[in-house]
Amino acid sequence: AQKITQTQPGMFVQEKEAVTLDCTYDTSDPSYGLFWYKQPSSGEMIFLIYQGSYDQQNATEGRYSLNFQKARKSANLVISASQLGDSAMYFCAMRELQTGANNLFFGTGTRLTVIP
Amino acid sequence: EADIYQTPRYLVIGTGKKITLECSQTMGHDKMYWYQQDPGMELHLIHYSYGVNSTEKGDLSSESTVSRIRTEHFPLTLESARPSHTSQYLCASSEQQQATSGQDTQYFGPGTRLTVL
Repeated sequence: AQKITQTQPGMFVQEKEAVTLDCTYDTSDPSYGLFWYKQPSSGEMIFLIYQGSYDQQNATEGRYSLNFQKARKSANLVISASQLGDSAMYFCAMRELQTGANNLFFGTGTRLTVIP
Repeated sequence: EADIYQTPRYLVIGTGKKITLECSQTMGHDKMYWYQQDPGMELHLIHYSYGVNSTEKGDLSSESTVSRIRTEHFPLTLESARPSHTSQYLCASSEQQQATSGQDTQYFGPGTRLTVL
């Protein structure tokens, strides 16, 4: 079974608007971490934000916030005030501490296009 | 944040050639990783290392091999390249030796885009 599911192959957002990128995960490990990465067309993977399974509050990093709903096993990324430079692929990933402590399991990604 | 470097950035090579993709990091991170990514697809772990003289295979079977003789260096070698090896290869590193923290953020290099003709 897929550990990370990103159901939106592509998303469009108007510049300066907010956008939510969906991510659901599947694990039986009670301890896990969730990550979002941005991959521009140049190919590098840029770490954006992290949420631990025991964190009580949703993670925030500047314009990025993570809407963590543990019971629903979802970890959606919210980008506020979109900028043209936000156009990129976005990957959700998970690390399980007890079962597979070294792997990051990645979703298939969402291509975000910011429209001027 | 890690400073992690990969060379070459782009490589076009003929079938049967031996190639080595270089990866170096300057932050003294214990753990290093190699991922393979086909265009527009997710990343798959092919190799990882806990530290010097430690190498493990990842989830995705790969004909490549790796070595970890120095902390900062984690090269990947293909003995005989084939068109099926055409892909992007991403190297990453993370700081924590013990997998006790969920975060253990992996920082990635710029990637090597390999094309085998």
